[in-house]
Formats: sequence, C-alpha cells, structure tokens
Amino acid sequence: GAVVSQHPSRVICKSGTSVKIECRSLDFQATTMFWYRQFPKQSLMLMATSNEGSKATYEQGVEKDKFLINHASLTLSTLTVTSAHPEDSSFYICSASRDRINTEAFFGQGTRLTVV
Amino acid sequence: AQSVSQHNHHVILSEAASLELGCNYSYGGTVNLFWYVQYPGQHLQLLLKYFSGDPLVKGIKGFEAEFIKSKFSFNLRKPSVQWSDTAEYFCAVTYGGSQGNLIFGKGTKLSVKP
Repeated sequence: GAVVSQHPSRVICKSGTSVKIECRSLDFQATTMFWYRQFPKQSLMLMATSNEGSKATYEQGVEKDKFLINHASLTLSTLTVTSAHPEDSSFYICSASRDRINTEAFFGQGTRLTVV
Repeated sequence: AQSVSQHNHHVILSEAASLELGCNYSYGGTVNLFWYVQYPGQHLQLLLKYFSGDPLVKGIKGFEAEFIKSKFSFNLRKPSVQWSDTAEYFCAVTYGGSQGNLIFGKGTKLSVKP
C-alpha cells in the first residue's frame, strides 16, 4: 500500500524560531501534496496544495510567507513555519497523491507543533 | 458556505453494540462523500467512499455508510463494534467532483469498552 511518512511527529519550539516539517511518500511518486491544519476539536482545514516543481497554492487566509511550502521532488514536500508564535501551535497533517486528485491521497501521521 | 457536520463529539459503546455516526453536509450540488478513520497514533485512513451508484456503500472492517440525498446525510454504521474500533472518525465531502477540496467534519471520537 501507499505510505506517507511525516517527520517529526511532535515538536516543541520557542516563539520566534522556525520549524520544518517533512512529508515523504515512501513507495510512490507524489505529484501533489496537501497540507492541513487541525485545531483541537476542530476539523482538518486545507492550508495549501503543492505540486512538484511549482509554487504552492494557498487557501484563503493562509499566510504564504509564514507557512513556506517546498515540493522539490516527487517524494518530498516540506512545510516551514517561520517565526512561530504560540497561536501556530496545532496539528499539521500532510497527504500525498499520485495525481492532482486529493480524494485519492494518502495521509501522513501528522505533526503536533507546540510553540512556547 | 460548504460545511460538514458530525453530530457527536464523543461516543462511548460497549463491545458488540451497534454503531451509527451521523454526518450531514450542506447543499452544494454534486458531492463525493468519504469516511476516514484515525487510530490512536496513526495516520488517517480511508474507510469508504461514495461517488455514485448504490447509495449503500460497504467499506473495510465491516463498516458501511448510506447516502441519503434528501437528507444530505452520509451516516456511518457498523452492526457490532469491537474494542479495536476505538478511534476518531472523520466525515469528508468534496463538491463538484473528485478534484474538489476535501472538506472535513470535526470528527467523532469512538471509545469502545471491552
């Protein structure tokens, strides 16, 4: 089956620092990767869609300069939370798709970010 | 706005009890419907999906869901739950075909007592 690995699973960082989260498709080539954010007791909200080799498409209200997404290869996408603040503390989940259809995507296990 | 509602935040059942988790979506034309499950410490997995055809959809692990268009609902059912079904369950919808963005409900946590 298709496996998507997210790293780290949990990270604590100081306010003002940057944090990088990796999303890897282990056994398939992911043309498209999706980044979601989940607040406690809330639903997953799509933040951005990244296609290999091109700029990410951000959803309305998501600051692209704060949440930098790089999809440099067909198996790796990274999300960097820059100048993190406590309100950025959340659960971040990626999914990866062989094509551009996110309903056929496979999910990573998520990253719990805590900014102190 | 397009949205998905899951009625219960936390459901607690004993083993062998029957399960039904509610999911309603807002009107928006053609929809594709999904149920995902997330076991503790694991990633989201697809349980089942409905695109068209028979509105009663069977998924993995004995789960099924029924699409009732008139009620904008896609409830998840299982006749007899097991302790291993303890997990969080998410209903999700795409509007306008499979290339639409997944819109998730807030999730329902299911705890099954042995």
